[in-house]
Amino acid sequence: DTGVSQDPRHKITKRGQNVTFRCDPISEHNRLYWYRQTLGQGPEFLTYFQNEAQLEKSRLLSDRFSAERPKGSFSTLEIQRTEQGDSAMYLCASTSFPGHMPSGYTFGSGTRLTVV
Amino acid sequence: AQKVTQAQTEISVVEKEDVTLDCVYETRDTTYYLFWYKQPPSGELVFLIRRNSFDEQNEISGRYSWNFQKSTSSFNFTITASQVVDSAVYFCALSSGDTGNQFYFGTGTSLTVIP
Repeated sequence: DTGVSQDPRHKITKRGQNVTFRCDPISEHNRLYWYRQTLGQGPEFLTYFQNEAQLEKSRLLSDRFSAERPKGSFSTLEIQRTEQGDSAMYLCASTSFPGHMPSGYTFGSGTRLTVV
Repeated sequence: AQKVTQAQTEISVVEKEDVTLDCVYETRDTTYYLFWYKQPPSGELVFLIRRNSFDEQNEISGRYSWNFQKSTSSFNFTITASQVVDSAVYFCALSSGDTGNQFYFGTGTSLTVIP
């Protein structure tokens, strides 16, 4: 068990381009979450999956954002037509549910997106 | 509505001093969980502690201690004899109910321990 892995660690893209991030959760975790963190702020919830089902999406997740978890294992977060306001750290977390509360979530190191 | 407030944006202390990080939360749920996470410069959020709403016992873990008071909706975090390695951003978070759908994070407190 190597924890939650996110790839890439850093991404610089031009405005208008599409980007895709990947998250590999802890293998036995059935829940996977995406959060976004801008400078000086705490992480904000974007969406989460239980196995392959996407159960909740935040209003922060505009139509340009899409997340998938096709086989209930890794997940991808795609941003289409990136805007400068999308520049942020995108964090992935996983946990086992039920039974998650004793240890909270395990977060990855994040993907830092810079849109120029 | 769920909300977490960390009024202290930045704190600087000299090594070996004690420091308390404040956290005030709002929720209408009777069942909820409170967390503290540490975010070092590497960016990864490191879990420190969880408290559920039915357990107001204070907890001590080495140099760390937590004071949970439902009467004031506060969950404060104290580091005793601070060390340079404690320098990081600390986040308080709230998760309400039993569904565990999401965390609500505060804006964080940046702690700098000066050698």
